[in-house]
Amino acid sequence: DIVMTQSPDSLAVSLGERATINCKASQSVFYNSNNKNYLAWYQHKPGQPPKVLLYWASARESGVPDRFSGSGSGTDFTLTINNLQAEDVAVYYCQQYYGTPYTFGQGTKLEIK
Amino acid sequence: EEQLVETGGGLIQPGGSLRLSCAASGFTVSSYYMTWVRQAPGQGLEWVSLLSVGGSTYYADSVKGRFTISRDNSKNTLYLQMDTLRVEDTAVYYCATIHYDQWRATGWFDRWGQGTLVTVSS
Repeated sequence: DIVMTQSPDSLAVSLGERATINCKASQSVFYNSNNKNYLAWYQHKPGQPPKVLLYWASARESGVPDRFSGSGSGTDFTLTINNLQAEDVAVYYCQQYYGTPYTFGQGTKLEIK
Repeated sequence: EEQLVETGGGLIQPGGSLRLSCAASGFTVSSYYMTWVRQAPGQGLEWVSLLSVGGSTYYADSVKGRFTISRDNSKNTLYLQMDTLRVEDTAVYYCATIHYDQWRATGWFDRWGQGTLVTVSS
């Protein structure tokens, strides 16, 4: 199984500042045949279902503000949230969909400082 | 509007059975890879099961042999039959559609239901 490890576990950032969350896979999720990283990022707020923010590591889902961006390849990935807004308070998860069993990182709780 | 609505959760004793339903509207369940994901209290997200368009099924090791994923095309509904339930199966269960990628027959989870709570306790 591919183990996904996020850092940090929690993060407090001031409004308008940048938040950075890291995700490391225990093996590469890059597929050479199509040059894609099988890595997604989700935002999960209390009482709501998770919402996909990014897929292919850096492609933004429709409707997601461009403050959210993703980078990385192979085993190391980063979610960056610029100009942090109050509505960005949530738990963020990375997930590999390279193959089953699909696995998520343990989550990073983002709060306002 | 495309929507998924889960039902069937509740309180059940250890060793019991429960069937969760995920009713879809605005799209056809049989045309999509579908999945179940759960979140135990205070814990993160855990993938549970997958049903392909062709009917192939996949399970997390933690539920293999106890849970069964299926669908009823006439009802446009996805199911999760949960048998021999354990206390550690207590969680909110979400169904979701998978945005299919043909290269690896997989994809990210793009549409989610609101979830249904299953509590396994004596």
